[in-house]
Amino acid sequence: DQQVKQNSPSLSVQEGRISILNCDYTNSMFDYFLWYKKYPAEGPTFLISISSIKDKNEDGRFTVFLNKSAKHLSLHIVPSQPGDSAVYFCAASAGGGTSYGKLTFGQGTILTVHP
Amino acid sequence: NAGVTQTPKFQVLKTGQSMTLQCAQDMNHEYMSWYRQDPGMGLRLIHYSVGAGITDQGEVPNGYNVSRSTTEDFPLRLLSAAPSQTSVYFCASSIGTPNREQYFGPGTRLTVT
Repeated sequence: DQQVKQNSPSLSVQEGRISILNCDYTNSMFDYFLWYKKYPAEGPTFLISISSIKDKNEDGRFTVFLNKSAKHLSLHIVPSQPGDSAVYFCAASAGGGTSYGKLTFGQGTILTVHP
Repeated sequence: NAGVTQTPKFQVLKTGQSMTLQCAQDMNHEYMSWYRQDPGMGLRLIHYSVGAGITDQGEVPNGYNVSRSTTEDFPLRLLSAAPSQTSVYFCASSIGTPNREQYFGPGTRLTVT
């Protein structure tokens, strides 16, 4: 049972436009959400996170929105740059005790930004 | 700081062989985890540790063993390799709370023939 889902395997965007990556989750115990970026042959790198007590978190060109009632989050990249081309993973965490060591990942979305 | 390091980068095993994937971090993080990445599956948690001497199973633990004797090191052992264990393996570490972001190593690409 996939608890975190990224239903779009790929997204293609023109340089300078907005990229919107989506993620849905089913586990109500998740209270912290993260986005990671991954280039080929490298490990994932942390981008931005959001706690369930917030509905928006912004860091430069990256903004994450959380809709708890819909169990949905999205990552907005504005403006998109060719260097943003990578695989983006959504991840979720359920807090408390040993659970801090566990992240549940979505399948990933391949973002391609065309010059 | 070197961050999270993993060795080897690549490995080819024959079915039935055993090996240990090494992982080390120099950030004094209490939490460490092992994930595997397969096409279309995202990253799946194999085992994790919340401190020296404490480990627990993740989503896909079968065929793997771990131990954590020091804060810095968290090796992953394949007891008897199978073709289904062909994957890319990532080790990660974190402080756990309040910010739960995990920092990943560069990965080990394992092929079992």
